[in-house]
Amino acid sequence: GAVVSQHPSWVICKSGTSVKIECRSLDFQATTMFWYRQFPKQSLMLMATSNEGSKATYEQGVEKDKFLINHASLTLSTLTVTSAHPEDSSFYICSARALSRANVLTFGAGSRLTVL
Amino acid sequence: AQSVTQPDIHITVSEGASLELRCNYSYGATPYLFWYVQSPGQGLQLLLKYFSGDTLVQGIKGFEAEFKRSQSSFNLRKPSVHWSDAAEYFCAVAGDPGANNLFFGTGTRLTVIP
Repeated sequence: GAVVSQHPSWVICKSGTSVKIECRSLDFQATTMFWYRQFPKQSLMLMATSNEGSKATYEQGVEKDKFLINHASLTLSTLTVTSAHPEDSSFYICSARALSRANVLTFGAGSRLTVL
Repeated sequence: AQSVTQPDIHITVSEGASLELRCNYSYGATPYLFWYVQSPGQGLQLLLKYFSGDTLVQGIKGFEAEFKRSQSSFNLRKPSVHWSDAAEYFCAVAGDPGANNLFFGTGTRLTVIP
């Protein structure tokens, strides 16, 4: 079945540094990938939608300069948290949609970011 | 505004007992409804979804859910819970079957005791 891998699964960084999280579709081509953020005991919130080869579409309230999303290939999207601060600590989850299965979303296992 | 409410933050059931997880939604258009399960270290897995037609939908792992438009509910049920069902369960709503903008509830954590 379709598999989405996120890396790293857990990252700790110092305040002011940038962190890159990768989301890969391992066995299918993903034309669209979604990035979500999950705070403890809260629901997943959609941050942005990225389509291969084009700029990401960000949800209202999400800083595009803070959360850089790149979807350079059909199997890889990256989320870079720039100049991270403690309030950026969260669980980031991606999902991907296959070109051939428009109504199926496959989720990654998530990446936990802790900013000290 | 759209919203999804899962009133139960944490539910504990005995193995073999029946289970019902509640979900209420508010959506201005025709809702497309989903239930996902999240196990530790794993991605969200789709249990079932409702788009139209029969309001009782069957999913994987023996789960089912019933769409009740009059109550704006989409409760998840399982007649006999297994220890492996312990996980976090999320109800979600979208405005299209492709789930381009999934709106999630806050989740219900299920604990199964022997």
